[in-house]
Amino acid sequence: QKEVEQDPGPLSVPEGAIVSLNCTYSNSAFQYFMWYRQYSRKGPELLMYTYSSGNKEDGRFTAQVDKSSKYISLFIRDSQPSDSATYLCAMMGGSQGNLIFGKGTKLSVKP
Amino acid sequence: KAGVTQTPRYLIKTRGQQVTLSCSPISGHRSVSWYQQTPGQGLQFLFEYFSETQRNKGNFPGRFSGRQFSNSRSEMNVSTLELGDSALYLCASSLVGFTEAFFGQGTRLTVV
Repeated sequence: QKEVEQDPGPLSVPEGAIVSLNCTYSNSAFQYFMWYRQYSRKGPELLMYTYSSGNKEDGRFTAQVDKSSKYISLFIRDSQPSDSATYLCAMMGGSQGNLIFGKGTKLSVKP
Repeated sequence: KAGVTQTPRYLIKTRGQQVTLSCSPISGHRSVSWYQQTPGQGLQFLFEYFSETQRNKGNFPGRFSGRQFSNSRSEMNVSTLELGDSALYLCASSLVGFTEAFFGQGTRLTVV
């Protein structure tokens, strides 16, 4: 089992939809959870950073961490065509001194 | 505030050659980490440098090496290139560790 699992998609939604992106993980020592957005031919851009469990909101984006289920989510409200990108989850903690990434979910928001 | 700068953006090399990639971190950032991104494996951690010392290393062969200079700029080197080394190589910088790491645009390496 890979340490971080993420459905690669592609995920296609109409403009204005609520998007839910998810990752599961196996290492219970992970404490730091991030979401990155990567546009084609660009480097990943940090969207959200959460420590331990709970929710964090930033504009149209909400990150949720459920450590009991080893499950993290990113919700995008009122999705826009400009949100079309690949979304990568990343996490670290315990003896893992570096970021472990999911493979990314490719999202397409249709006008 | 300037972002993370990686040079060159694109490279084509022949099998067996070696290559050096460069990364200039955000001003004030002392941690620089390197990742390899491929469609099959996703983003994989290569190594991290902090204050000119390698602090963490991923599971890559010794052909992959790096260094960091006193101004925090970093280089990575790949010797004896193989076709499988074709990838996007990304550099990320942060103040002290991996949290809130900012990525550069990457160097697209193609080995033919």
